[in-house]
Amino acid sequence: DTEVTQTPKHLVMGMTNKKSLKCEQHMGHRAMYWYKQKAKKPPELMFVYSYEKLSINESVPSRFSPECPNSSLLNLHLHALQPEDSALYLCASSQVRGLAGAKETQYFGPGTRLLVL
Amino acid sequence: GIQVEQSPPDLILQEGANSTLRCNFSDSVNNLQWFHQNPWGQLINLFYIPSGTKQNGRLSATTVATERYSLLYISSSQTTDSGVYFCAVEGGSGNTGKLIFGQGTTLQVKP
Repeated sequence: DTEVTQTPKHLVMGMTNKKSLKCEQHMGHRAMYWYKQKAKKPPELMFVYSYEKLSINESVPSRFSPECPNSSLLNLHLHALQPEDSALYLCASSQVRGLAGAKETQYFGPGTRLLVL
Repeated sequence: GIQVEQSPPDLILQEGANSTLRCNFSDSVNNLQWFHQNPWGQLINLFYIPSGTKQNGRLSATTVATERYSLLYISSSQTTDSGVYFCAVEGGSGNTGKLIFGQGTTLQVKP
């Protein structure tokens, strides 16, 4: 099973709201990722978790707060977002190989379409 | 950082035609993946191919790492092949998981 699930599929929120995006995988992968994709653009990496620890933060504003409560779950907490944060948010996971921690094939979830009003 | 260029940006085919999509990258890579993004936004993993050749049904891919390019071949195209095809690479040590995506090739297959 190479499935990554994401909830919700769609989310509309105001600039003062707090919401969370959820991602789950049961493939035993130990690396998980958040990407942001604007319309007609490629995905851009936001965060990488490796063995439940944050290993990469691509200078993402603090209004985006990731959390990895266990090896199967990844959350993205949203607070005080701006309209320009409206995008498709994609979660991915991959296996981690060897002592050096090389990341293997990334599998993506279906995404959450976020609209900030 | 590593640069990824895909060509052509747009491609229109009649059903049944063959096509070749190209991905050039500016530095050595440890990971190269081809994805198909369908109209609903789902990124489907096609190939993990940092080097060599792989085939899966009507699709095949070749990466020539020493010359820094990869090709995706689609044979006997079908309307369901429509969408955006992305090449994504990870350079450097290969331990970060940081994939850099090209701008994509938008494919439209007409019946």
